[in-house]
Amino acid sequence: RKEVEQDPGPFNVPEGATVAFNCTYSNSASQSFFWYRQDCRKEPKLLMSVYSSGNEDGRFTAQLNRASQYISLLIRDSKLSDSATYLCVVNEGTGGFKTIFGAGTRLFVKA
Amino acid sequence: DAGVIQSPRHEVTEMGQEVTLRCKPISGHDYLFWYRQTMMRGLELLIYFNNNVPIDDSGMPEDRFSAKMPNASFSTLKIQPSEPRDSAVYFCASSLRTFADTQYFGPGTRLTVL
Repeated sequence: RKEVEQDPGPFNVPEGATVAFNCTYSNSASQSFFWYRQDCRKEPKLLMSVYSSGNEDGRFTAQLNRASQYISLLIRDSKLSDSATYLCVVNEGTGGFKTIFGAGTRLFVKA
Repeated sequence: DAGVIQSPRHEVTEMGQEVTLRCKPISGHDYLFWYRQTMMRGLELLIYFNNNVPIDDSGMPEDRFSAKMPNASFSTLKIQPSEPRDSAVYFCASSLRTFADTQYFGPGTRLTVL
């Protein structure tokens, strides 16, 4: 089982749609979680951190479920500019720090 | 701030040659990370430094890979000798104080080994 798993997609959605991605992680001692966005041939950039209580930033909502060991990202009212690859990131801090990136979920938003 | 700076942006070399990738982290950031990204394996952490000291190099694939950070504003990743399977995009990233902080990535170096 991979340490961090994501559905690679692609997700093809029309503008205005709501889309959700999940990411599962294997280490129950994982300490911090993020969603990064990566555009084609560009570097990853932080989209948002994921907090235990859940957090929202405009059209984006992130959730953490420690019991089931997954994090989620919800995008409402999708825009063409949301088309990108979304990377789930998990930091493990027991016995040494380790950052693990998921393979990413590709999203295409169409007019 | 200019962000994380990497050079060169593109590198094409022949098998067996030495390759040196360079990174300048964001000023004041204590952590520096080197990653490799390929279609097959995604983004992999190779090594990271805290205050110029290498902390974990368990992700470095082979002895052909080495990394140094002689000061707070400069790091290198060297591959010697290079092989075609080293072809990938190599990213450098830095973060402010702890591993839980946001990592800011440079634009990457696209390496092609023929």
